[in-house]
This record gives sequence, C-alpha cells and structure tokens, in this order.
Amino acid sequence: AQTVTQSQPEMSVQEAETVTLSCTYDTSESDYYLFWYKQPPSRQMILVIRQEAYKQQNATENRFSVNFQKAAKSFSLKISDSQLGDAAMYFCALLPSQGGSEKLVFGKGTKLTVNP
Amino acid sequence: DTGVSQNPRHKITKRGQNVTFRCDPISEHNRLYWYRQTLGQGPEFLTYFQNEAQLEKSRLLSDRFSAERPKGSFSTLEIQRTEQGDSAMYLCASSLPLPYGYTFGSGTRLTVV
Repeated sequence: AQTVTQSQPEMSVQEAETVTLSCTYDTSESDYYLFWYKQPPSRQMILVIRQEAYKQQNATENRFSVNFQKAAKSFSLKISDSQLGDAAMYFCALLPSQGGSEKLVFGKGTKLTVNP
Repeated sequence: DTGVSQNPRHKITKRGQNVTFRCDPISEHNRLYWYRQTLGQGPEFLTYFQNEAQLEKSRLLSDRFSAERPKGSFSTLEIQRTEQGDSAMYLCASSLPLPYGYTFGSGTRLTVV
C-alpha cells in the first residue's frame, strides 16, 4: 500500500520570503512519480511540480523547487519569493509507475497562508 | 480545449434521492478519474477509466455508486439513495499516459440534507 504524510497542517510565510512544505511517503515500488498540487480556496487543483523517482536531479519550476530524498522517502516543496497568490492548500501525491494502477495517492494537505 | 469540465458545480439533495454528476475530460486524454474530497482532507480515489473500460474501483465505492464512461468520452457518476455521509466534493481528473500528472476539474460539491 502507498501512503503519503504531510505533517504540517498549516504553515505561514511573509510575502517575499521562502517557505518549505514537508512530505514523506511510503511505497514498495521502485519506480514512481511524486507531485505537488495547489488548491486555492474554491478553485480547482492545479499541478505545481512533478518529480520522477529515477531522476536524481531535483525538479524546479520557476519559484518552486523540490528536495527529493529517495532513501529517506522525503519530498519537500520550497517556495521562494512567496506571493499572496501562493496562498492555498498544497497536496503532496504519489503515483506508482508500475503494477498497472494509475491512481494518485494524496496526503492530507498543508494550508499555506501568505502574510503581506 | 478549456480543460476538464464538471457539472453541476453544486448540488443539494435530500437524503434518499439519486444524483448524477457529469465530467467532460480534455479530449485527447484517455484516462479519467473520480475522486472524493471531504473538508480538510486530501482527495480519495474512487474509480478510474482507460477509454471506456473501468479498470479500478475503490472499496469506498459502495453498491450505491456507479460510474460510466460510454464511448470513452464524458463520464457520469451516479449515487443512489444518498446519505448524509455522501456530502463531499467530487473531483474528476483526466490525463495522458504516464508520466503526466492529472488535470483536475473544478469539482461538484454535493450536500445531502
């Protein structure tokens, strides 16, 4: 079974500062994908960043980057130069790439508040 | 293509009534997924289609729930004899084959009174 744990129910950051959201996961699969999704209030969930487990290089998308530690099964999201529009629920998710199942397994989320 | 479309956006129903939700995926996406999200929780997997074939169903999907995807295009999720515990946001997503992530719709919020 796959599990995703987000240990920080809520986080806050000052505008223009940097914040890191934590995520740990458990899977017996050797190959998988990891994702961070953002869900603004009353709006749809959008993909922030994706990481393939076989890649050692950490993914980066503009102000968003990850710290992927495969041995530790850790996948944290760093948001640099935080903006008011970054305020949202952030979900970490795991997708095994083998075994035929293509379902995303989500954590419970971290609510990020950005203070002006 | 404007993304994944879900209708209705909101549905209020009385306990015991049947409800049906519709999802129109991105046209070139052959994978379609239904998830349920309750307040303060992450989305939970319900079911998954590849084209018109329903390949996986969660144990969360009781006998009162049924999903279809005729001709591999839009999908419907029906809940029969609704219960208050069915109140949730029902999310639809579609995707291309791996390694792409899902594209989500805006969801249908169901309230059972």
